[in-house]
Amino acid sequence: DAGVTQSPTHLIKTRGQQVTLRCSPISGHKSVSWYQQVLGQGPQFIFQYYEKEERGRGNFPDRFSARQFPNYSSELNVNALLLGDSALYLCASSPGGTGELFFGEGSRLTVL
Amino acid sequence: GQSLEQPSEVTAVEGAIVQINCTYQTSGFYGLSWYQQHDGGAPTFLSYNALDGLEETGRFSSFLSRSDSYGYLLLQELQMKDSASYFCAVRRSSGSARQLTFGSGTQLTVLP
Repeated sequence: DAGVTQSPTHLIKTRGQQVTLRCSPISGHKSVSWYQQVLGQGPQFIFQYYEKEERGRGNFPDRFSARQFPNYSSELNVNALLLGDSALYLCASSPGGTGELFFGEGSRLTVL
Repeated sequence: GQSLEQPSEVTAVEGAIVQINCTYQTSGFYGLSWYQQHDGGAPTFLSYNALDGLEETGRFSSFLSRSDSYGYLLLQELQMKDSASYFCAVRRSSGSARQLTFGSGTQLTVLP
């Protein structure tokens, strides 16, 4: 079975631009969470979606937004990019229950 | 607020046993998870403790003491492939299982 897939894997943007990152969860998983991981740090929670509804939001500015589609895939959008947005963006899906998240390989964003 | 503390680096030799500690401060603690992440890879789930005590999964064990706000991950019979970063992560009762707060990670180096 395919794991969590994310695209693009790497991308470079300049300050002020906008970016859209995409995630396909494991088949049958209805929940998708987004995390930001800055080099040398642990992942930081951004959003969680379940059945197309936002179920949680971390401490991130309104420049960050997300949505989940009927097929449970998800997009993370970041507007007005800042240098500090450079990070690995991880998507995780979950079948529910305990704290087991299945992460994708991530999208590495570099903002110049 | 929330905080998790874990050592930044640990070094051990092949075949040895290593313990990675994690102390946390959070309101509404629900459970503690552990994740492994190899360089450039996705975090992968190792274990979850919601109750006090030891959980064993093969060479890995995880312990939780809710009264001490403390947990640890124990890796036995270390192998070279265990060289990776290890993260503890807290689930709060006010959040879902998908909204985790991660520590900064412990870089484990296994020497031959």
